[in-house]
Amino acid sequence: RKEVEQDPGPFNVPEGATVAFNCTYSNSASQSFFWYRQDCRKEPKLLMSVYSSGNEDGRFTAQLNRASQYISLLIRDSKLSDSATYLCGTSGSARQLTFGSGTQLTVLP
Amino acid sequence: GAGVSQSPSNKVTEKGKDVELRCDPISGHTALYWYRQSLGQGLEFLIYFQGNSAPDKSGLPSDRFSAERTGGSVSTLTIQRTQQEDSAVYLCASSSPFQTGVMNTEAFFGQGTRLTVV
Repeated sequence: RKEVEQDPGPFNVPEGATVAFNCTYSNSASQSFFWYRQDCRKEPKLLMSVYSSGNEDGRFTAQLNRASQYISLLIRDSKLSDSATYLCGTSGSARQLTFGSGTQLTVLP
Repeated sequence: GAGVSQSPSNKVTEKGKDVELRCDPISGHTALYWYRQSLGQGLEFLIYFQGNSAPDKSGLPSDRFSAERTGGSVSTLTIQRTQQEDSAVYLCASSSPFQTGVMNTEAFFGQGTRLTVV
């Protein structure tokens, strides 16, 4: 079993839609959680960290459920520019940073 | 430079040759990671350095792969006797020193080395 698993993609949504991605992790010792965004043929870049209390950044909301060991990302009012691959990542006490395989999002006009 | 620098950006090599990929992390970043990404796939973890030591080498696909880091800075990933299945983008990332009680330290990625084995 992979240490981090994500929703299989791709997600194709119309502009303005709300879309949610889930990610589960198997290492209960994981301590840090992230969502990264990767554009085609580019390197991943941090979208947002995920905190226990949940956090919001504009149209993006991240949630963490430690009991069920999953992380979610909600994107409201999708824009064409949100089209990308979204990677969730976790880091444990040993600080190894592990990513899921990514979920591809295409926002359609 | 201010970011993670990787070289070369592209490498085409013949099957059976050895290749060396280089990563220059952000100055002061003690943690350094190597990943492999095949076309349309996610990030496959290869190896992680904390300073010069590699606590986790479990992701290296075979004994043809090795990595080192000297002076707590530059890292080199070496692939010996390359095979066609080694073709991928090799990404390096670094992050600042971990501090007790401080979580969610961001990792910054380089632009990668695109390796093609022909």
